[in-house]
Amino acid sequence: GQQLNQSPQSMFIQEGEDVSMNCTSSSIFNTWLWYKQDPGEGPVLLIALYKAGELTSNGRLTAQFGITRKDSFLNISASIPSDVGIYFCAGSERGGSQGNLIFGKGTKLSVKP
Amino acid sequence: GAVVSQHPSRVICKSGTSVKIECRSLDFQATTMFWYRQFPKQSLMLMATSNEGSKATYEQGVEKDKFLINHASLTLSTLTVTSAHPEDSSFYICSAPTGDHRYSPLHFGNGTRLTVT
Repeated sequence: GQQLNQSPQSMFIQEGEDVSMNCTSSSIFNTWLWYKQDPGEGPVLLIALYKAGELTSNGRLTAQFGITRKDSFLNISASIPSDVGIYFCAGSERGGSQGNLIFGKGTKLSVKP
Repeated sequence: GAVVSQHPSRVICKSGTSVKIECRSLDFQATTMFWYRQFPKQSLMLMATSNEGSKATYEQGVEKDKFLINHASLTLSTLTVTSAHPEDSSFYICSAPTGDHRYSPLHFGNGTRLTVT
């Protein structure tokens, strides 16, 4: 089935550094979402993007919906230890933010104090 | 904010038995809920869409007779893994949108870790 390519697979950074991760798709998506998942818990929605070119921030997090509709990136500025976790991108070809979501394989972020 | 509660958080069962997992929307009503499955270090895969008052919609390759879904009220959906086998061991996560509009944010429960011995 349809898959998203999310990279990098993992990151190990120093506290205070900026982080960037991205997702690409071979087909056009009409919605991009970014989630964070802590161990043993469900994903938590960070940012939702619904328009090509849209740039949205949530605190230290910024995400953009690529102009081609085939990619999205998430940036985290000035990382802190609680940013540790797995970040998933999710996309929908049909649009909307509900069940017809396809998830990337995740980016595992580790932050060294 | 919107909360989705999932119970139990962990369950261990013997092969051949059935396990029921509950998903509740605590401060909102959900006519639709979604059930996902996640293998270790893998992504979330949609299993089925649970519809209040009607039959669930299953994704291709998901056995509806094995994964029984019941959405009896606007705040509760249940997933029953029937005749569980070790290969059914996984992390099961439910989710629900906070509104009926298709752009309503999807909130996830904390998941259920199922181990079949």
